[in-house]
Formats: sequence, C-alpha cells, structure tokens
Amino acid sequence: GDSVTQMEGPVTLSEEAFLTINCTYTATGYPSLFWYVQYPGEGLQLLLKATKADDKGSNKGFEATYRKETTSFHLEKGSVQVSDSAVYFCALYTGDYKLSFGAGTTVTVRA
Amino acid sequence: NAGVTQTPKFQVLKTGQSMTLQCAQDMNHNSMYWYRQDPGMGLRLIYYSASEGTTDKGEVPNGYNVSRLNKREFSLRLESAAPSQTSVYFCASSSKGAALSGANVLTFGAGSRLTVL
Repeated sequence: GDSVTQMEGPVTLSEEAFLTINCTYTATGYPSLFWYVQYPGEGLQLLLKATKADDKGSNKGFEATYRKETTSFHLEKGSVQVSDSAVYFCALYTGDYKLSFGAGTTVTVRA
Repeated sequence: NAGVTQTPKFQVLKTGQSMTLQCAQDMNHNSMYWYRQDPGMGLRLIYYSASEGTTDKGEVPNGYNVSRLNKREFSLRLESAAPSQTSVYFCASSSKGAALSGANVLTFGAGSRLTVL
C-alpha cells in the first residue's frame, strides 16, 4: 500500500544550524505530499505541500521539493530557531480521503 | 476562532469501560477523520467520514465505532476500553474540494489524551 518513511529522530541542533529531515514515499499513483508540524501540546498543522513532481513547497523558511525520480520529499531549513522545536510529519495523499503519515521526527533546537 | 474542537482533552478509563470522544468543526467541511497517535508510529487513521451520512473504516478500526451526527459533528466511541487503546486521539476535517483535488489539507483539533488502566 501507499506509505511514507521518514528519518528517525530525535534530532538535536543548535540555533542557526541547517536542518534536513528525509522523507521517501511508496505510491502506486501520483500522490500529493505534505509536511505537517506539531508543536508541544497542540494538534498537527500544515507546514507546506506539493501536488506534482518538481513542485517546491515553502513556508516559514522551510522548503521541500517533490522528487519523483527519487520518490522523495525532504524537508530543509537553512537556519533553525528555538521556536522550530516540534515534531515533523511527512504525509502522502493519493485521492481516497486517506492521508498516510510517517512516524514523525522530533526536532529540538537549543539556544 | 474557527477550527476543530475536541472534548474531553484528558480521560482516564478502567478496562471495560466505555466512552465517547466528541468532535465538532465550524468550517463547513464535508470530510471528517479520527486518528490515533502512538510513539514511533505516527498517526493512524481509525475511521473517516467523506461526507455527512457516510462513514468508512481506516487502518485501525477494531474496538471503535463512529457516528457522523450531522455535518459539524463526528464522534468516536470505545465500547469496551482496553489498555491497547491508550493513545492520543485527533479529530480532523477537510473540505470536499480539497479532498477531490488531490491536495487534501486537514485541519486538526488539539487532541484527546486517553489512558486505559
């Protein structure tokens, strides 16, 4: 079935460091891809999305490019802040109302 | 503020007890979902309702029932709680247009933490 595999954490970084979280997917069709973020004590919220190959999603300094040839959607940010500490989820949607999530990657940014 | 509201936020049950988690959205969304979140497993879909009047099983439906009461409300019931159902439960919703377009962006509630002893 359709699924996503994302880098296991936890990840601990210093402020202003570069962050990358790997995400690869398996899908029979042409999925849409998402990154959701969960801040402590809150529900998930959409961070960015891409709906077709070569699309780049971006928001709050985060970017991810939909790479069909490598079936990947890696999340990157050039300079993280303490406020970026959260759990990040890669997700995939193939059009049947069901969004499939990865296991989540916990990121902690230290001042 | 518009969004998805879940109640209760916390609940402790004994094995065999029953309870219902309530969810309501005020964004006029057609589709609603219940997920559970467990460490190392991400979010797994329990049940969803594509539109008012319909419900379908997700990945992990055993031990749960749902009711789409109206367009706004979607409840999740545990008839006989088990320790394996200890989890954080999230309700979410999305618009019909998003679901059909391929960019199904979900709006999530804040979660309900359930502990079954």
